[in-house]
Amino acid sequence: IAGITQAPTSQILAAGRRMTLRCTQDMRHNAMYWYRQDLGLGLRLIHYSNTAGTTGKGEVPDGYSVSRANTDDFPLTLASAVPSQTSVYFCASSEAGGNTGELFFGEGSRLTVL
Amino acid sequence: GQNIDQPTEMTATEGAIVQINCTYQTSGFNGLFWYQQHAGEAPTFLSYNVLDGLEEKGRFSSFLSRSKGYSYLLLKELQMKDSASYLCASMDSNYQLIWGAGTKLIIKP
Repeated sequence: IAGITQAPTSQILAAGRRMTLRCTQDMRHNAMYWYRQDLGLGLRLIHYSNTAGTTGKGEVPDGYSVSRANTDDFPLTLASAVPSQTSVYFCASSEAGGNTGELFFGEGSRLTVL
Repeated sequence: GQNIDQPTEMTATEGAIVQINCTYQTSGFNGLFWYQQHAGEAPTFLSYNVLDGLEEKGRFSSFLSRSKGYSYLLLKELQMKDSASYLCASMDSNYQLIWGAGTKLIIKP
C-alpha cells in the first residue's frame, strides 16, 4: 500500500533554476493539496485541486504552479526558485474536495534553494 | 484575521497525562482537527471534532467548545513514542484548513 508518494525526498537547488516536485497517490482521492512547512509556522496551503482538471490557489501561491491532468498526479513547479522557497513541502490528498475529510500526507520533500 | 494558538513546547513524564490546548479564530467553522507529526515525518490524523464535547479514542481524547473557540487534546498513559509535534487545525467557512504551528511534546522517562 503506497498511499502518497513524493519525489524527490530531498533536493538542493541553485536560485533561478526550475524545479518540479512530484506527487502521486493510489487511493483514487478526488482532492489533492500542496503545503509548505517552515519552522515556527503552521502548514501553509500553496495550491489545491478538488478534482482532476481543476486547481485553485491557496494561502501562498506566488512563485508556484500546479497541474492536475489526472486523478493520481499533482506536480508542483517552481518556475524560478528563490531562497525563500527553502522549505519542506508536503503533498496531501482527501476523499472529498473542500477539505471536508481527513488528509493523507506524503513523506515530504525537503528543498534547499541557495 | 484567522489565527490558531497552541503552546510551542510541553514536557511530560512517561505514564502521566498531558493536555495540549488550542484556541482558534477563523472565518466560520467547520470542524477542528488534531494531527500528530513525528520529527522528519508526515503528519497523521488523530481526531476531528465539529460538535461540542469530548471524543475518546483509546489513550487519546479531543475536546471542543465552539462558544469559546477552544479545543484540547488529552493524552493518557504517555509512552515514549508519543514524543512528537501535535498540530491543531481549524476548518473555516470555505472548508480551508488553518493550521497552528504545532506543539512539540517531549516525554521524559
